[in-house]
Amino acid sequence: GQNIDQPTEMTATEGAIVQINCTYQTSGFNGLFWYQQHAGEAPTFLSYNVLDGLEEKGRFSSFLSRSKGYSYLLLKELQMKDSASYLCAFLSGGSYIPTFGRGTSLIVHP
Amino acid sequence: GAVVSQHPSRVICKSGTSVKIECRSLDFQATTMFWYRQFPKQSLMLMATSNEGSKATYEQGVEKDKFLINHASLTLSTLTVTSAHPEDSSFYICSASTGGGTETQYFGPGTRLLVL
Repeated sequence: GQNIDQPTEMTATEGAIVQINCTYQTSGFNGLFWYQQHAGEAPTFLSYNVLDGLEEKGRFSSFLSRSKGYSYLLLKELQMKDSASYLCAFLSGGSYIPTFGRGTSLIVHP
Repeated sequence: GAVVSQHPSRVICKSGTSVKIECRSLDFQATTMFWYRQFPKQSLMLMATSNEGSKATYEQGVEKDKFLINHASLTLSTLTVTSAHPEDSSFYICSASTGGGTETQYFGPGTRLLVL
């Protein structure tokens, strides 16, 4: 079957680095997304990985290991505005509808 | 690019009335749009997939007669919540895909519905 798992909540200090993990199980794989969602707002696209490795975009990086069914989102130089929920979602083979995780609520404190 | 708008952003209505929510892709054509519902501190729940020119595909447990979806053009999909009840109060979010192989979904800003 299909399954996706990520921690419910994480806290970190302003200026620090935080890694949000996501594990998934699926038969067939067609890519993994990370979205950021601030409270009361819709998700915004952060990254898409379909090949193994690390993709860097400014302060945010996303990593994928297809053989391990594992991804992480790395946030550097944390800012207060990074406090949000981070959603991991994968595309199973042959599907164009992603399966979303429950999201990880990140709290950044001074 | 890849901007999706949604209207209205917030609506309060009386129980029994119908509410229409519009979702537009502003700078691209979206063959497929998606409608989600999200309750507080919960994940996104896919309600239906809206295909231009054909009937929407509803997820299990979602009443198609309750949540009417019309995807009349490549840039507009509408969701109508018919005879709304307080339990329909939620955050409704649409998204659209630019296609091209990555199937990245771009979300609208969401509509917060409160049924009294």
